[in-house]
Amino acid sequence: GDQVEQSPSALSLHEGTGSALRCNFTTTMRAVQWFRKNSRGSLINLFYLASGTKENGRLKSAFDSKERYSTLHIRDAQLEDSGTYFCAAEAQGGRALIFGTGTTVSVSP
Amino acid sequence: NAGVIQTPRHKVTGKGQEATLWCEPISGHSAVFWYRQTIVQGLEFLTYFRNQAPIDDSGMPKERFSAQMPNQSHSTLKIQSTQPQDSAVYLCASSLEGAPPQYFGPGTRLLVL
Repeated sequence: GDQVEQSPSALSLHEGTGSALRCNFTTTMRAVQWFRKNSRGSLINLFYLASGTKENGRLKSAFDSKERYSTLHIRDAQLEDSGTYFCAAEAQGGRALIFGTGTTVSVSP
Repeated sequence: NAGVIQTPRHKVTGKGQEATLWCEPISGHSAVFWYRQTIVQGLEFLTYFRNQAPIDDSGMPKERFSAQMPNQSHSTLKIQSTQPQDSAVYLCASSLEGAPPQYFGPGTRLLVL
């Protein structure tokens, strides 16, 4: 069954505002990666976390294995943040990534 | 660093034909992963090699699909007797020694008519 539940499926933001994407896991995961699909369709690595939080510019991600979730926060959204974001988790005992269904973020002026 | 290279970027094939997709991992990466993306199923894991050896093929369809990694610099995914439902974007990723993070190539968009 589905092991990674990503929400929301779509998110509209005005420039300068912020919001959060969330992935819930139905089982304990070892680590999580967050990606953004660029204009050419390639998955660009944003974060890899085995625990705790990481921040890069206006993006911040957190992963709590025990509570079975990860979040990606966008602050001060810019037009170039528009795109589809995916979380992908690595289950215990395996290396295959299990992907969420994606969040399409649209940032408007 | 050119990143993960996948060829061809697009492939159109007729039903029943064979399709071979190529992946060149990032230099020095010893793990190669194959995934498939469709609108219906999203992104799904297919198979995984480490040091050229198959480690996990739990996501591979049991028939018509096969993958190989004959050397450190490339892996192939072969689909025999392609069917329209095989149409998808096939993604290859690589990582160091099977440890995350995984880095993805641009994908091969396969269309079976």
